[in-house]
Amino acid sequence: KNQVEQSPQSLIILEGKNCTLQCNYTVSPFSNLRWYKQDTGRGPVSLTIMTFSENTKSNGRYTATLDADTKQSSLHITASQLSDSASYICVVTLMGTGANNLFFGTGTRLTVIP
Amino acid sequence: SQTIHQWPATLVQPVGSPLSLECTVEGTSNPNLYWYRQAAGRGLQLLFYSVGIGQISSEVPQNLSASRPQDRQFILSSKKLLLSDSGFYLCAWSGGRGGGVGYEQYFGPGTRLTVT
Repeated sequence: KNQVEQSPQSLIILEGKNCTLQCNYTVSPFSNLRWYKQDTGRGPVSLTIMTFSENTKSNGRYTATLDADTKQSSLHITASQLSDSASYICVVTLMGTGANNLFFGTGTRLTVIP
Repeated sequence: SQTIHQWPATLVQPVGSPLSLECTVEGTSNPNLYWYRQAAGRGLQLLFYSVGIGQISSEVPQNLSASRPQDRQFILSSKKLLLSDSGFYLCAWSGGRGGGVGYEQYFGPGTRLTVT
């Protein structure tokens, strides 16, 4: 069964600290993995996308890693800011041409406190 | 550039009333269009997707329906709302000519629906 699991479910950190969010998946055959940021009451916005051959991708203070062998990904946030408070969603794409080929994790709710 | 619009932004409706949520996309043609629901504290649940005008695929049987009367317009409807229909509804697009990377999905701002 194709599934995406994220941990932790929620996380509270102090402003300026680093944190790492985890994503494990069983989706096969794998095409790519994306991390989205969703502010409260808004639509998700893409942060990074990684294909099978990529094992790291950065977007400013966000760095995503991918281990396609163990089917694990992480999103590392450096020097957190209050604006980083949001839900972070891991999405894995199934290889193929179908329009419905995305598998969503339930997200990690990050709260950055001053 | 491509833009996706949803309205209304928020909606409070009584049980048993009808529903119509609208989504439009600008700056691309022949996109794939999606409706998702996100219940409080839950992940995104795909409700419908469409690969072309009049072509609707349903993922979850329920009292909701979707229509695509025009290439860049996607409508989510219900004849009679249930309490369980409350949630955050997101429209998204992917593919199409003029934008999109493979099947990356671009989300709209969402509609918060509360059924009372």
